[in-house]
Amino acid sequence: DAEITQSPRHKITETGRQVTLACHQTWNHNNMFWYRQDLGHGLRLIHYSYGVHDTNKGEVSDGYSVSRSNTEDLPLTLESAASSQTSVYFCASRRTANTGELFFGEGSRLTVL
Amino acid sequence: AQRVTQPEKLLSVFKGAPVELKCNYSYSGSPELFWYVQYSRQRLQLLLRHISRESIKGFTADLNKGETSFHLKKPFAQEEDSAMYYCALGTSGSRLTFGEGTQLTVNP
Repeated sequence: DAEITQSPRHKITETGRQVTLACHQTWNHNNMFWYRQDLGHGLRLIHYSYGVHDTNKGEVSDGYSVSRSNTEDLPLTLESAASSQTSVYFCASRRTANTGELFFGEGSRLTVL
Repeated sequence: AQRVTQPEKLLSVFKGAPVELKCNYSYSGSPELFWYVQYSRQRLQLLLRHISRESIKGFTADLNKGETSFHLKKPFAQEEDSAMYYCALGTSGSRLTFGEGTQLTVNP
């Protein structure tokens, strides 16, 4: 079955280090998203992509970057991790623009010490 | 700008009681609204979308454009309904804006 997977599922890192969270989907969806989930804030959009070589900033993009070199993958990079980036990160994909279901990965829990 | 408000962060009811999770939105265009649910140790998944006008697991939600609301309701809550519920608003492009979530606990 087609699916969306994230890795690593758990990561502990130190302040200042670069971290990359992987997201891979096998549905051939053009639209991919990264959210962070925090108590009191719900899900907030970090970056998103509508297709290969397309990337866009979401509402909390500072300190994060993404790249889209193929349809299947949208890795999220924290250039210099900060304690404020301790969170659970969810990748999601969607086939169509406004009517398709958003499919989520299982989440990546990141702790920045 | 679009905004989704879920006023209750925590909601606790007893099994068999009715439950209503509130969701209000702010958007000047034609909204597309969803409810997503996250059960313990599981990924977020779609529960309802307003265009489908369907009942899933006994839950229903009606879009009220006059009150800009999309409240989720179930007449008789079950223990397995305990989860985090997110209301989401689809606007321009393919992005969804999520509310802060409501943690529902159904007590035996």
